[in-house]
Amino acid sequence: GAVVSQHPSWVICKSGTSVKIECRSLDFQATTMFWYRQFPKQSLMLMATSNEGSKATYEQGVEKDKFLINHASLTLSTLTVTSAHPEDSSFYICSVNMWTSGRRDEQFFGPGTRLTVL
Amino acid sequence: AQKVTQAQTEISVVEKEDVTLDCVYETRDTTYYLFWYKQPPSGELVFLIRRNSFDEQNEISGRYSWNFQKSTSSFNFTITASQVVDSAVYFCALSEVYSGGYQKVTFGTGTKLQVIP
Repeated sequence: GAVVSQHPSWVICKSGTSVKIECRSLDFQATTMFWYRQFPKQSLMLMATSNEGSKATYEQGVEKDKFLINHASLTLSTLTVTSAHPEDSSFYICSVNMWTSGRRDEQFFGPGTRLTVL
Repeated sequence: AQKVTQAQTEISVVEKEDVTLDCVYETRDTTYYLFWYKQPPSGELVFLIRRNSFDEQNEISGRYSWNFQKSTSSFNFTITASQVVDSAVYFCALSEVYSGGYQKVTFGTGTKLQVIP
């Protein structure tokens, strides 16, 4: 079954509104989650590393005030796109490192959230 | 910094043909992982394989096989007897292990495979 879920799977919003995307690890506790963005016909680009209980680490060129990340619990990280504009339209994917005894370290990706800003 | 290069942007093959997707990577770490993912039109990434840097054995899984060569920093993926369902974008990826045990994954630009019936 799925290890990582995302909600919503797709969202359409008007320019200027804020959109919150949730990423949940379903079967385990994740101290670290990652957020990726994928523009049409392009590769996945890491946006930020979400750390439970502390501030996220953003990749170069990603505006932290634009993309707010909150990792309030070991099973939930949220990405809020503030004052979204059409150029923020993209496919947002989260991933989780699972590091437990007997399972080794594995990377699991969520199903993605397609954001369309009108 | 790590980098993954997939030189083939798009490939078209006729069904039942074999096809090889190339992947070349760069990293300064001695410990790292290499992946292949399939992304069908639905968008969800499908994990295909993970290989650590210390295991150079080639792997075969059904019609899929992977050739890992550290000497050339390559991790190529071959689909034998391709099928229409194999049509998708395939990503090669590299991850390095950071302190605390977590991995950061860098993706290649992807190769779009179209299998023509």
